Amino acid sequence: EAQVTQNPRYLITVTGKKLTVTCSQNMNHEYMSWYRQDPGLGLRQIYYSMNVEVTDKGDVPEGYKVSRKEKRNFPLILESPSPNQTSLYFCASSFKHLSNQPQHFGDGTRLSIL
Amino acid sequence: DAKTTQPPSMDCAEGRAANLPCNHSTISGNEYVYWYRQIHSQGPQYIIHGLKNNETNEMASLIITEDRKSSTLILPHATLRDTAVYYCIVITSGGSNYKLTFGKGTLLTVNP
Repeated sequence: EAQVTQNPRYLITVTGKKLTVTCSQNMNHEYMSWYRQDPGLGLRQIYYSMNVEVTDKGDVPEGYKVSRKEKRNFPLILESPSPNQTSLYFCASSFKHLSNQPQHFGDGTRLSIL
Repeated sequence: DAKTTQPPSMDCAEGRAANLPCNHSTISGNEYVYWYRQIHSQGPQYIIHGLKNNETNEMASLIITEDRKSSTLILPHATLRDTAVYYCIVITSGGSNYKLTFGKGTLLTVNP
């Protein structure tokens, strides 16, 4: 089944403890992206990647890192998490970074930073 | 990207067609209209998209007016599982990135 898989789905952790949220897609998509969703603020893009080894900042990249060493994986790294990074995170992918290519989302990761 | 306007909420009876409107009066000629939905904090689900012509897939139909200033998403036979927030967005063609920016959307409630 074609899908975008995120892990973990839920995580409660403490300030400063490095964590990684994994994202994997099995559709051979070139474009991948991370979003966070907060009440009243909607969906905001954190980072995106147009292909392997090509990544760039979105609208809210501060406090996050990403890497794209393989086409299928696009992990989101929080080196020193802080409470303001408590949020619902979504990974998305599309075949190409073109506006006529729909993005498909994972089921989300709910992070709580205490 | 052009802004969109949607009603905050709508109700629909199960088994009936749900028609969700969207205004995008400032849309440009190269901007696509996309519809996504989100069921209670699950990942947004792609439904359908179009540029000028009406489109239909296994989930829904998209009707775009001739002047492209508005569109309607049609769920032909709504079920209880179609209860969700529906987002209409427009995406500009070209450029090195396209991000999805969801507004408040329309909460569709399908009633038994």
